[in-house]
Amino acid sequence: NAGVTQTPKFRILKIGQSMTLQCAQDMNHNYMYWYRQDPGMGLKLIYYSVGAGITDKGEVPNGYNVSRSTTEDFPLRLELAAPSQTSVYFCASSYSFRHDSNQPQHFGDGTRLSIL
Amino acid sequence: GENVEQHPSTLSVQEGDSAVIKCTYSDSASNYFPWYKQELGKGPQLIIDIRSNVGEKKDQRIAVTLNKTAKHFSLHITETQPEDSAVYFCAASLGGSYIPTFGRGTSLIVHP
Repeated sequence: NAGVTQTPKFRILKIGQSMTLQCAQDMNHNYMYWYRQDPGMGLKLIYYSVGAGITDKGEVPNGYNVSRSTTEDFPLRLELAAPSQTSVYFCASSYSFRHDSNQPQHFGDGTRLSIL
Repeated sequence: GENVEQHPSTLSVQEGDSAVIKCTYSDSASNYFPWYKQELGKGPQLIIDIRSNVGEKKDQRIAVTLNKTAKHFSLHITETQPEDSAVYFCAASLGGSYIPTFGRGTSLIVHP
């Protein structure tokens, strides 16, 4: 069981370039999330998904896009990278087995992205 | 929406001392409160959680207490060790929402 796997671990982009951050989980979790973490700050939710084919915006979605074609994968796309998107990006997943019972999130180890 | 305040932002203790991190939440309907530990260069990892039908939960040197009336919950670490040094996040979520609200984190430094 690898848990949540994020690739790449590090990346440097030029302003205006695009890239996709990959996230995969092997725990059959239905919920997946993307967060960004800026230095000294907490976690800000970018997008989340409650299942394959369903995605929704979080707190800071501008400049990003996501898709969820399978249960396992939840890629995050950056279009026209800007310096403000320099951050550490974390993908997470969790499982719900009944409507009112929250479960903990499992996080990947992050992608450190610099935009110059 | 839910708002979670976490204090202190930085906590420095000597090895062997106890450490306490406190969080308050705003929505009385929140019923799940996890705590995560984030080591340098890693993602957050769950260390303990508590649900609203329980007032306290322990796991070895770690304990969490919940006061629903006052809407606050705390993480207690006893006999701290240098490997406890990390950033700790609290979170709160409503039943069925699955979108937790995180505190801003506490950087715990344990001096040998």
